[in-house]
Amino acid sequence: ETGVTQSPTHLIKTRGQQVTLRCSSQSGHNTVSWYQQALGQGPQFIFQYYREEENGRGNFPPRFSGLQFPNYSSELNVNALELDDSALYLCASSLNQLGTGNTEAFFGQGTRLTVV
Amino acid sequence: SQQGEEDPQALSIQEGENATMNCSYKTSINNLQWYRQNSGRGLVHLILIRSNEREKHSGRLRVTLDTSKKSSSLLITASRAADTASYFCATAGSARQLTFGSGTQLTVLP
Repeated sequence: ETGVTQSPTHLIKTRGQQVTLRCSSQSGHNTVSWYQQALGQGPQFIFQYYREEENGRGNFPPRFSGLQFPNYSSELNVNALELDDSALYLCASSLNQLGTGNTEAFFGQGTRLTVV
Repeated sequence: SQQGEEDPQALSIQEGENATMNCSYKTSINNLQWYRQNSGRGLVHLILIRSNEREKHSGRLRVTLDTSKKSSSLLITASRAADTASYFCATAGSARQLTFGSGTQLTVLP
């Protein structure tokens, strides 16, 4: 176990709805990153939060947004859900920002989102 | 977009054999990390190799890195059925993210 917990584990939503996914980072970690993994693909970077601010973003539209709280837990919000948003959403926590030094990322078990 | 590309896409071996997976990437990196994923669950961190390192060992795992060729390999020795999983390489560079390849599906037959 990595100490990174995500909720819920599974979720079914209807196209056009909004969803919020949650992540509790490992104790002592100040950085949380979110990834989307479509079936049969590698994870794709959505964004990273460091000390409550977004400081890196992948090629995802603005309807993907997030928050990081003072305890470093995080939320991923997706508005106006589309069928292609169906995927495994992974949260990773790290001791520092990814890309600085040699920081390892530790992943949660993911939230399986299905949009119908 | 995927930076790393794993090769092969799928690998099937007998228990006790060694498994080798390769990863190629495109841009300069600070480090390269290997992860394992069982049946669409979370990623498990296996090993990190820094850009100034050439080889690293962890238990039955051996990772090599050739920055001149922008490639890395993961060797799992004496494989077990429990090693059956998808394996991903991920690079970390100046961008604040990990960039993953598309993965190698390893099947270890008992």
